[in-house]
Formats: sequence, C-alpha cells, structure tokens
Amino acid sequence: DVKVTQSSRYLVKRTGEKVFLECVQDMDHENMFWYRQDPGLGLRLIYFSYDVKMKEKGDIPEGYSVSREKKERFSLILESASTNQTSMYLCASSSYRTYGYTTFGSGTRLTVV
Amino acid sequence: EDQVTQSPEALRLQEGESSSLNCSYTVSGLRGLFWYRQDPGKGPEFLFTLYSAGEEKEKERLKATLTKKESFLHITAPKPEDSATYLCAVLNYGGSQGNLIFGKGTKLSVKP
Repeated sequence: DVKVTQSSRYLVKRTGEKVFLECVQDMDHENMFWYRQDPGLGLRLIYFSYDVKMKEKGDIPEGYSVSREKKERFSLILESASTNQTSMYLCASSSYRTYGYTTFGSGTRLTVV
Repeated sequence: EDQVTQSPEALRLQEGESSSLNCSYTVSGLRGLFWYRQDPGKGPEFLFTLYSAGEEKEKERLKATLTKKESFLHITAPKPEDSATYLCAVLNYGGSQGNLIFGKGTKLSVKP
C-alpha cells in the first residue's frame, strides 16, 4: 500500500527549541507539501517542493523552513518554536502525472509549551 | 483571489436521513475538484476527483457532482460510520504543479 509516513504522531517541545518534522513517501512522487491544520482555519499550505532541492513558499511560511535532499524525504523545520505554532502538521505528496491527486500522511500533533 | 467555500460548517443527521454538502469555488481556471474525508486525528483520505461540469462520481453511499461554480457531495441513507469531516479542494491552472486550495470542511455527524 502506498504511503506517506510522518515520523511522529505527537510531539511536545519547548518555546525556542529547533524542531524537525520528517516525512517520507514511497510513491516516487515529484511534489511534496507541508500543511498545518487549525480549527476554524482549515488546511493552510506552509511550503511545497516540486523537485529535489527545490522549494516554494506557501501561504504561511513565516517561522518555518524546509529541506528536500532526496526525492522521497521532505523535512519541515521550526527554527525557534513558539506557542502559536502548536498545531496539527500534515505532509502530503502528489505526482504531476495525476493532476493534483494528493496523498496525505497521518499528521503530527505538535504542542509547544 | 482563488477561493473555496464549504457549507454548512457542521451537519447533524439521523441514520438514514439523506442530505447534501456544498462546495462553491472561484478560481481562475479549474483543473480539478477533489473531495476528501478526514477522521479525527488522521490525515485526509481521497474520495473523488471531478474534472468538468456535469461529471458525477459515486462510491457506496456518496455521490459527487460538479457544475461550473460548485460541487455537491450527496449522502444517501448515511450510517454512523460516515461521520467525519469532508473537505473540498480545487486545483487551478494558475497555481504551481499540484497545488490544492482547500475549503474549511463540513463536519458531518450521523446519529443512530
């Protein structure tokens, strides 16, 4: 079964910590995405990548960075975690061949205290 | 600005009570409209893709339809296991490769 795997389901971090969220997909997809999801705000795109070492800002990139050194892996980095970054983070991937059909991971619930 | 609006925000149904969820969109050029189901604490799960007005797709008790300005997700004789948040998203020509614009979702509760 094809999958997008996020390394952690739950994380608790302290304010000011550098946080790494890891995502791996096994579908050989070109595109990978990081979203955050908050009640009443829906899914908001943070960053995406359409190729190795390529990245583009989404709607809310402030306070985040990403890394894509290999095609199957896309990392989200919180440079200095803050309480307003407490959220559900979702990784996703898609192929340009299938016009936006996007597969999501199970999510990481991050709490910053 | 491209936008996707879902209504209602929440819907409570009795088991067997059919209804519809709405997704209206304004995009510069529609490449596809997607419906996802999301259970609490999990990532969205793909349901349907619709590409052109008049198109319909069905899966068990769910049927998705598309017009030039909106899509409907019809739920026929729902069961409690259909309870979830249903998300609508559009892929537009103006966006980068594979970029989806999501609505905020409709939370469906089906009571036995």
